[in-house]
Amino acid sequence: GGIITQTPKFLIGQEGQKLTLKCQQNFNHDTMYWYRQDSGKGLRLIYYSITENDLQKGDLSEGYDASREKKSSFSLTVTSAQKNEMAVFLCASSPGTGGNQAPLFGEGTRLSVL
Amino acid sequence: QQQVRQSPQSLTVWEGETAILNCSYEDSTFDYFPWYWQFPRESPALLIAIRPVSNKKEDGRFTIFFNKREKKLSLHITDSQPGDSATYFCAARNTGNYKYVFGAGTRLKVIA
Repeated sequence: GGIITQTPKFLIGQEGQKLTLKCQQNFNHDTMYWYRQDSGKGLRLIYYSITENDLQKGDLSEGYDASREKKSSFSLTVTSAQKNEMAVFLCASSPGTGGNQAPLFGEGTRLSVL
Repeated sequence: QQQVRQSPQSLTVWEGETAILNCSYEDSTFDYFPWYWQFPRESPALLIAIRPVSNKKEDGRFTIFFNKREKKLSLHITDSQPGDSATYFCAARNTGNYKYVFGAGTRLKVIA
């Protein structure tokens, strides 16, 4: 079976800092996603990539950049961390845009900004 | 903005009862509806999913009922167990841009 690995698991940053989160999957999936989840809330889409070299904005892309370096990896950058920000960033992947296979999630990166 | 709405926000049932979680949507371009469950301090895990060509999808104690005309779905959990206590998310895929939109979730508590 495959796995989605997110690094780091925990990230503590300073206000105004640029922070990068990484995601790797070995499912050979085409499509990858970054979601943000605030405590007790639902998931909001930040960026997604339909295939290698593709990049699409989600509903929450302002304040973030993303990069699909290769098929197996998708990075997310917080361009300027906000003071007291706390959230979990979830990476997911799915085989492709069609079909009946929903995204699978990694374990998440928990961000705290001092 | 596309929306997926879930109700109730929280639900408590006794062990052995059937829990019913509701989901509705507005956009007719949604073509696939997965449900996820999430336990505290874990990431969401895929539970069951349905396409609009079907009006029912069953997997053990979990059943999705789908009403395409009314744009409504419901997840029924029969013989609820304390281990089913989790937050359940309904999601929808847009066939045009392949985004998955998530509802805000229903927090289910099953009391023994």
